[in-house]
Amino acid sequence: AQSVTQLDSQVPVFEEAPVELRCNYSSSVSVYLFWYVQYPNQGLQLLLKYLSGSTLVKGINGFEAEFNKSQTSFHLRKPSVHISDTAEYFCAVSVVGAQKLVFGQGTRLTINP
Amino acid sequence: GAVVSQHPSWVICKSGTSVKIECRSLDFQATTMFWYRQFPKQSLMLMATSNEGSKATYEQGVEKDKFLINHASLTLSTLTVTSAHPEDSSFYICSATPGLAAKETQYFGPGTRLLVL
Repeated sequence: AQSVTQLDSQVPVFEEAPVELRCNYSSSVSVYLFWYVQYPNQGLQLLLKYLSGSTLVKGINGFEAEFNKSQTSFHLRKPSVHISDTAEYFCAVSVVGAQKLVFGQGTRLTINP
Repeated sequence: GAVVSQHPSWVICKSGTSVKIECRSLDFQATTMFWYRQFPKQSLMLMATSNEGSKATYEQGVEKDKFLINHASLTLSTLTVTSAHPEDSSFYICSATPGLAAKETQYFGPGTRLLVL
């Protein structure tokens, strides 16, 4: 079975500072990796995904993530955050060829002015 | 593209009544739709997977007679919470995959907040 661990439940940062949200996964088979963002009282929006190819993936809103197979990690980064990035961020995996997503517990990113 | 809508966005009902939530893919055909439940400050819990024209597959611990799922067309799935009770109060989110070309990616609806009094 697959599992996802988001190492930080909350991450407070100042506006315009860089941020990294950590995600590690466990799986005995190949997986696809995703980052979703959830704004208050809303559904999830896809930020980026890794399916294959280049391990550095660029997404929307200036976010990027790097797939590291040896460390089974898929950390999300942004070089300079804005107040509007305040939200809950979820890392998720699915087995290649399957559709079911397994989510991490989420990381609440709070941007302080 | 890949827009998913849900209706209603919020609903308040009395204990014992049934509530239907609709999930629609607006600009694509969704062969598979998923229903999740999310409690405050928690992650999403998959309730069931539905494929158009066939019975839904429920996750362990989810009562299929209480949470009725119908996926009658390639753009519409419904979740009916039957005989709702206060413990069913939650945020329900659906997602859909755009078919074989991108079946690995789920696009999520905005969610429906249910409050059972």
